[in-house]
Amino acid sequence: EAQVTQNPRYLITVTGKKLTVTCSQNMNHEYMSWYRQDPGLGLRQIYYSMNVEVTDKGDVPEGYKVSRKEKRNFPLILESPSPNQTSLYFCASSSRYRVQNEAFFGQGTRLTVV
Amino acid sequence: AQKVTQAQTEISVVEKEDVTLDCVYETRDTTYYLFWYKQPPSGELVFLIRRNSFDEQNEISGRYSWNFQKSTSSFNFTITASQVVDSAVYFCALSEPLNRDDKIIFGKGTRLHILP
Repeated sequence: EAQVTQNPRYLITVTGKKLTVTCSQNMNHEYMSWYRQDPGLGLRQIYYSMNVEVTDKGDVPEGYKVSRKEKRNFPLILESPSPNQTSLYFCASSSRYRVQNEAFFGQGTRLTVV
Repeated sequence: AQKVTQAQTEISVVEKEDVTLDCVYETRDTTYYLFWYKQPPSGELVFLIRRNSFDEQNEISGRYSWNFQKSTSSFNFTITASQVVDSAVYFCALSEPLNRDDKIIFGKGTRLHILP
């Protein structure tokens, strides 16, 4: 089954404690992205990756890091989380050949930073 | 610049009524895709429909229908005979496949309440 898997689904952490949210896809997609969703703001892109070892900033990259060492994985790293990073996070993947141009989304990670 | 506007922040209707969710988009590209996603209370994003810019045919899927009008840059979504299970946040979105960043631009969402 084609899917994007995020872990964990829920996370409560304290300010300053480094954390990683994992994202894995099994569709051999080139593109992967991270979005955050906040009330009244919709979803905004944090970082994206066009392929292995190629990453770039989206609209709201401050406070986040990513890496793409393997095609299937695209972890989101918060080196020093702060309360304003409390949000719902989604990972997405799509094919660069995008005939159908459909992005597949993970189930979301609800992060609370206290 | 690309933009998606969902002017209705929140809508409440009584079960079995029809309801239309509005979506207006802005893009300079002639090639683009439009989407609708549903986000139920459990939080995941459920893909509903994709429409490319060259296909202005309206679509019907069961109780759901979509009206794409390039002349008004709108892609409205209608639920006929609404049900309580339709209660969710609905997002309209736009992507421009020729852009490097593969970004999907989302509207801010419309929260739909279907009252029993």
